[in-house]
Amino acid sequence: AQTVTQSQPEMSVQEAETVTLSCTYDTSESDYYLFWYKQPPSRQMILVIRQEAYKQQNATENRFSVNFQKAAKSFSLKISDSQLGDAAMYFCAYRRGYNNNDMRFGAGTRLTVKP
Amino acid sequence: EAGVAQSPRYKIIEKRQSVAFWCNPISGHATLYWYQQILGQGPKLLIQFQNNGVVDDSQLPKDRFSAERLKGVDSTLKIQPAKLEDSAVYLCASSLVGGALKNIQYFGAGTRLSVL
Repeated sequence: AQTVTQSQPEMSVQEAETVTLSCTYDTSESDYYLFWYKQPPSRQMILVIRQEAYKQQNATENRFSVNFQKAAKSFSLKISDSQLGDAAMYFCAYRRGYNNNDMRFGAGTRLTVKP
Repeated sequence: EAGVAQSPRYKIIEKRQSVAFWCNPISGHATLYWYQQILGQGPKLLIQFQNNGVVDDSQLPKDRFSAERLKGVDSTLKIQPAKLEDSAVYLCASSLVGGALKNIQYFGAGTRLSVL
């Protein structure tokens, strides 16, 4: 079974600084996708960034980037130039590549941004 | 483009009562998902539809939960009778079946259920 572990229940960062959120996963598959979702108090899950396992290059989306270490099964999210609007719960998620279902989420990391 | 619509936003019921949640996915999205998110946890998949057929309902407590998507568009999730442990946020998501974006799920704002 695939599991996703987020070892940091809470993280804090100063506005304009950089923070890294950790995620590890367990799988025996070779084809899969990894995601980071943001969930603000409004509860709507918003896709931040995604990574295809077959791609060696780390995904980037503006201030958000990932460090994907396939052998170590690690998928961390780096937020640069943190903004107050980045404060939210962040969930790491995994899904197999050949089956369009069964997305597994971690327990989440609550990010606080201090002005 | 309109996002995933869910209603109601909040619902409070007594245990043993019944409740229903509604979801309208993004237009053109054939795949629809219902997730349960208990406080302090990540979402857990309850059921997945493709068009009006069930793809996966292995984690749906079928003795009390049911879901339908009769016309392959909007969907209803029902709980009858509700238990205290059903208190959670119920999230609906949708995705395309094919193409480069098929692996991206778009979520609604969810329904927060409190069972007293």
